[in-house]
Amino acid sequence: DIQMTQSPSSLSASVGDRVTITCRASQSISSYLNWYQQKPGKAPNLLIYGASSLQSGVPSRFSGSGSGTDFTLTISSLQPEDFATYFCQQSYSNPLTFGGGTKVEIK
Amino acid sequence: QLQLQESGSGLVKPSQTLSLTCAVSGGSISSGSYSWSWIRQPPGKGLEWIGYMFHSGSTYYNPSLKSRVTISVDRSNNQFSLRLTSVTAADTATYFCARIDRDYSYYYMDVWGKGTTVTVSS
Repeated sequence: DIQMTQSPSSLSASVGDRVTITCRASQSISSYLNWYQQKPGKAPNLLIYGASSLQSGVPSRFSGSGSGTDFTLTISSLQPEDFATYFCQQSYSNPLTFGGGTKVEIK
Repeated sequence: QLQLQESGSGLVKPSQTLSLTCAVSGGSISSGSYSWSWIRQPPGKGLEWIGYMFHSGSTYYNPSLKSRVTISVDRSNNQFSLRLTSVTAADTATYFCARIDRDYSYYYMDVWGKGTTVTVSS
């Protein structure tokens, strides 16, 4: 199985901050990396697929980059509605696996 | 707009079978080349992929659950289902169904149900 490791596991930030979340795969997954946002009691919401493609309807302040084993999700200017948990997920091979999540909290 | 809705038993006794259904509305489960998936999330923990059914009908399961899992589709009722046998407390989780779409060779889960909580307890 491909292990996905996210860092940090949590962070505190203020509205307007630039936030960066990292995801590392245990082996190369090319660009087969997706990012999801999950708010408490809700289902995950797709933000980014193919490492850098913005899902339709997702604000442009979200961006993704990386390939191989190292990936980054960036929120250019944190908004109040962005306080949530973020998960990466590889779609390179079965079993599909998720990172452990990064909780973005209000400072 | 496509919507998914999970339903099924919220309380299951240990060693029994968990059965859930995902109803698809706003579109046909048979249209396009979508796959249909189940994912779960234990309380306060991360996401675990359970398996999916490819549009061709082929199924792929997480090896950690493979011996206990069956995903099937009921095209006449526009829904798909999950069966998990011999459940234990470790199977207590919120269960989500999701559609898998693709762009070129990139697969992603773009439409999710709201989730249903299943508790395994006697």
